[in-house]
Amino acid sequence: DAGVTQSPTHLIKTRGQQVTLRCSPKSGHDTVSWYQQALGQGPQFIFQYYEEEERQRGNFPDRFSGHQFPNYSSELNVNALLLGDSALYLCASRPEGLGGYTFGSGTRLTVV
Amino acid sequence: GIQVEQSPPDLILQEGANSTLRCNFSDSVNNLQWFHQNPWGQLINLFYIPSGTKQNGRLSATTVATERYSLLYISSSQTTDSGVYFCAPRGGTDKLIFGTGTRLQVFP
Repeated sequence: DAGVTQSPTHLIKTRGQQVTLRCSPKSGHDTVSWYQQALGQGPQFIFQYYEEEERQRGNFPDRFSGHQFPNYSSELNVNALLLGDSALYLCASRPEGLGGYTFGSGTRLTVV
Repeated sequence: GIQVEQSPPDLILQEGANSTLRCNFSDSVNNLQWFHQNPWGQLINLFYIPSGTKQNGRLSATTVATERYSLLYISSSQTTDSGVYFCAPRGGTDKLIFGTGTRLQVFP
């Protein structure tokens, strides 16, 4: 049973560019959340998707947007990249109800 | 929002030693998870423990929700236990709130 899969694993982008990160949740999971983890910090909540809608959002600007598809997979898009967007981006999924979250291996984004 | 404080921030152990990691949180929570982040960045779920005590091999965890804290016990530590340990409570908003973690280094 595959867990949460994310792609790509690493990415280098230039300031001002746009990036799309992808996530496939664990089988049986329908809720997907995205987190940003800066070096030396704990992950910070970006937003959560359920039934193809953004259900809640953390303190991130509108440059960060997302999407969830009918098969529960999800994308995170970041526009107008800044150097400060360099971080590990983590996707997490959980089953319906109060089950625990499972995390993917993350995408390490470097903005130069 | 919920504030999370973990202690100690850093811990250095010799193989075979035992340790206790503490997580305090500022408000009532629906549940709580403990994660181990390995050197490659993978967050591995250790426990889903809204209350009570659970054990998994050399690891065990206890959450006392009414007193707003959780403890992670590591016994007979091994070098593979090295990494960062995060507790992440989850409140009514369903999002995980992470602290800054405890960085554990285990030497042979």
